[in-house]
Parts: sequence; structure tokens; C-alpha cells
Amino acid sequence: EAGVVQSPRYKIIEKKQPVAFWCNPISGHNTLYWYRQNLGQGPELLIRYENEEAVDDSQLPKDRFSAERLKGVDSTLKIQPAELGDSAVYLCASSFGGRDNEQFFGPGTRLTVL
Amino acid sequence: SQKIEQNSEALNIQEGKTATLTCNYTNYSPAYLQWYRQDPGRGPVFLLLIRENEKEKRKERLKVTFDTTLKQSLFHITASQPADSATYLCALAYNFNKFYFGSGTKLNVKP
Repeated sequence: EAGVVQSPRYKIIEKKQPVAFWCNPISGHNTLYWYRQNLGQGPELLIRYENEEAVDDSQLPKDRFSAERLKGVDSTLKIQPAELGDSAVYLCASSFGGRDNEQFFGPGTRLTVL
Repeated sequence: SQKIEQNSEALNIQEGKTATLTCNYTNYSPAYLQWYRQDPGRGPVFLLLIRENEKEKRKERLKVTFDTTLKQSLFHITASQPADSATYLCALAYNFNKFYFGSGTKLNVKP
């Protein structure tokens, strides 16, 4: 069974440029998460989807970040415009939803903003 | 907001010994707590889950304890091996699926 797929794996952009990350979760997983992980820190939740509905986006910087999960399957996270402080690893995870379910993480996208 | 503390210093132990990692939290207890392993350049991998009404959980060489009075979880790896070297993250779950992660503790197992 394929795991969570993310692309690209690495992205280098200049500040003020836009960038987008894509995630394809494990088939059948209703819940999808986007996290940001800074060096030496744990993942920090940005947004959580239950099917196509964003049920928790309280930590998403909405002035520059946006996300969508059309048809409740794959998802895209966008930053526009990017700032130097956005340099981090962006992780996507999925789970069956409900309670007590483990999260399956993708390999992440390492973003460097110059 | 919830504050989660894991030892920021790396834990260095000898092969064959038991590694014990700590996860402390403030404020209210989570519905459940998970432990993950993360290797460099990769996403976290789930290891164990323990619920608020459980004291201890085991899986092969791994053991997790959860003390809601102390607001602490301990993660043990017995008979540690160099392949166990990684960063270990605890994650606290609230409102079913809202997770807060600790910053992780790096474990180095020396042969």
C-alpha cells in the first residue's frame, strides 16, 4: 500500500514569490493534516480536514497561507507571498479519522526562502 | 495554550541498556497521547498510543506510561540497539484529533 505522497520534496524560492505543496493521502483516509516543522522543533498543526471540510484552521496564517482539499482526497497548501520565516519542512499526514487513530506522515517538503 | 516539554538535550546510552524518554505537559490532560519516531529527512512514524484511563502500554521492546496526576508520560525502549537511534516525539490529542507535538528528544544508542 502506498504511503502519503508529497511533492515537491525540496523547494527553493526568493521571498515574495508564491509556492505550492501537494499531498496525496493514503486511500480511504478521511482526515488530512498539514503541519509545519521548524528545525529542532516538533510539527505544528496548520490545518486539519475531515473529508473536504477544513475543521480546524486556527493556526493557519490566513493572510498569506491557503489550503484546499477538493473532492476530499488530495490537498494543496499555498503560500503567497513567501517570507524568510516560512523556511521549514511542511508535512502532510492522514488518518482514518474518529478517535485513537494514528497519523501517517509523508516525507515532507523542505522549503527554503532566500 | 498547551505547553509540552521533552528533554532538548540528546540522550546517549550504551547498546543493551534501557532508554527512558520523558514528556511533560501543562494544563489539562489529553484524551490520549501518542509517541512517534522521526529519522532525519523523514516524516514521523507512529509507535504507540495510550489513553487517559490507561496506566501502561507495551509493544515488543517499547513501553509507555501515562500519569495524569504528574502530567507526564514516560517512553521506554528496553535492550536498546543502535538502530533505535532517532528523535522521539510525543503528541497529545485533544478534541479527538487536534494534536500538539513536543519538540522531541534525540536518542543516540552507541554500540
